Order: sequence, then C-alpha cells, then structure tokens
Amino acid sequence: EPEVTQTPSHQVTQMGQEVILHCVPISNHLYFYWYRQILGQKVEFLVSFYNNEISEKSEIFDDQFSVERPDGSNFTLKIRSTKLEDSAMYFCASSTGEGEKLFFGSGTQLSVL
Amino acid sequence: QKEVEQNSGPLSVPEGAIASLNCTYSDRGSQSFFWYRQYSGKSPELIMFIYSNGDKEDGRFTAQLNKASQYVSLLIRDSQPSDSATYLCAVIGSSASKIIFGSGTRLSIRP
Repeated sequence: EPEVTQTPSHQVTQMGQEVILHCVPISNHLYFYWYRQILGQKVEFLVSFYNNEISEKSEIFDDQFSVERPDGSNFTLKIRSTKLEDSAMYFCASSTGEGEKLFFGSGTQLSVL
Repeated sequence: QKEVEQNSGPLSVPEGAIASLNCTYSDRGSQSFFWYRQYSGKSPELIMFIYSNGDKEDGRFTAQLNKASQYVSLLIRDSQPSDSATYLCAVIGSSASKIIFGSGTRLSIRP
C-alpha cells in the first residue's frame, strides 16, 4: 500500500541552526501538507502546497519556515533558524485533491537544544 | 471559540461495550469530516470520513454527522483493548486547503 515517507525519524539540532525535513508524498497525490504536534498537544496545521505554490499557511508558518518541492517526488520543510519552541513532531501529509482525506507520514521528531 | 472541540477524556469503556466519541465544530460552512486514531508517539491514522448528514458504517465503526447542530460523533462497537488510543476529530472548513484537528479524546478500553 502506498505511503508517505519522512526522513529523518529523529533530528537533533542546536538553537539557531537550519534544519530541513524531508518527505516523499504518495506518488499520485497532488496536495501536500506539513503539520506539527508539540508533545501532549494537538496536531497543528502549518502549510498546504499545490501546483508548486503555497495554498494556505497558518500563523505559525512565519518567515523562518519555507517549503519546497525540489523535484517530482520530494517535499521539504526548512526552518531557517531554529528556536527551542520549534521542538515538536513534524508530520507530512498528502491527498489526492483539495478537501480530500489526508494520509500522514510517520513523522520527524525535532529536538532543538 | 475553538474551531474543533472534543472532550479530552480519558474515556474509559469496558471491553465489548460501545465507545461514543463526540466533536463539535464552529465553521458552519464545513463540508468534510474525519476521524483519525493516534497511538502514542505515532502519526494519525484515518479510520472514518463522512461528508453527508446521517450515519456511515464501516465494520465496528459508525460516524454520525449532524450539520444543523455542527456535531459529529464516532461509535466503536465491541470495543477491543487495541482500540485504546487518542481519537482525533478533523474538519475541512470553508477553506478547503487545510484540515483542522481537535485536541483529541483519549480512549481507554479496560479488559
């Protein structure tokens, strides 16, 4: 069964460093998303992406965040200068269409020290 | 007002009984509704989706939607210990570009 793949599963970084989280969405999906979940809290929307453009972003997704689809398969989330409060599980998700059900990757646990 | 509200629980249900999970949402223009299951430390897993008023059944799971009351629920029949998890209600509102999640209800099935 097709699945969303995320790497790495764990990332430890120092405050102020840049990190890039990697995702390979399901191959025939056209809409891509990043969510995050701080330990013990809700799953929060960060950004949605379609046709090489951001469709919508949340207040969390400030200038420190960016997304890119560098080739036909990868979808990345970059945090330019990490803060302690960026520590969370980051989930990538994809769907076949707008308003359709999301399928999630297994997540990247980001720890900022 | 929170966009998607759920009782955080924990909800404790004996094995074999029916577990009932509830969710309300604030955006009256919402069109699509989902229930995800999340085990601790894992990613959300889709278990049900519903778009129209009424009931939708899939195996032991039934989703119920009442758009007039802005209410969606999930029933789990013949609850099993493996059903113990956090259940996330998720809604696509007027903006179809994102799914908004509730904070989840922790369900515990006791043997």
